[in-house]
Amino acid sequence: NAGVTQTPKFQVLKTGQSMTLQCAQDMNHEYMSWYRQDPGMGLRLIHYSVGAGITDQGEVPNGYNVSRSTTEDFPLRLLSAAPSQTSVYFCASSPTGTGYGYTFGSGTRLTVV
Amino acid sequence: AQKITQTQPGMFVQEKEAVTLDCTYDTSDPSYGLFWYKQPSSGEMIFLIYQGSYDQQNATEGRYSLNFQKARKSANLVISASQLGDSAMYFCAMRGVSAGGTSYGKLTFGQGTILTVHP
Repeated sequence: NAGVTQTPKFQVLKTGQSMTLQCAQDMNHEYMSWYRQDPGMGLRLIHYSVGAGITDQGEVPNGYNVSRSTTEDFPLRLLSAAPSQTSVYFCASSPTGTGYGYTFGSGTRLTVV
Repeated sequence: AQKITQTQPGMFVQEKEAVTLDCTYDTSDPSYGLFWYKQPSSGEMIFLIYQGSYDQQNATEGRYSLNFQKARKSANLVISASQLGDSAMYFCAMRGVSAGGTSYGKLTFGQGTILTVHP
């Protein structure tokens, strides 16, 4: 009963480095999303996907790439890390029907120095 | 475009009393869903309650109820009989529903309200 699994839980990057945050869900959910959470700003949508092969930008997509080759996986790539990307990142998934909230992963705390 | 506004950065309540957390929204979608999430200090996001825009009755889940006033575009969360474990950040969120009855992929969040329950 894993739900949404995010790895790693913590990461420190140097400015300019790239990395991939992993997200996997085992609930056969069509929808998946990435959010970042910063103090006083709630959760802001980075990218989202409504199914394998389909992705779209959210509110704050710059500096991030995503792909969705399978229903289960939705990795988030930081192309060239910047201190402004220091944040807590959440991956979430949801069925397509109404009445369903997103199920969230436990989050990744990223620090860019 | 959708917007969620939570005007209370912080709220305090005495244990065993009820508390209302405010949420107003704006959307151009004719049909939509409203959600509340709880985020304790440990950081996980916990789904609490859902209200559909065409639901005739206000949603309830145990000690949580959603006071939905469509004309006022408000979806306030009411927590009855507060417990110390209710101390957390609470987020209101919404997403639209297509004419075919499928939820849109995007979920829009408010900025959150920190609730502190005093013994």
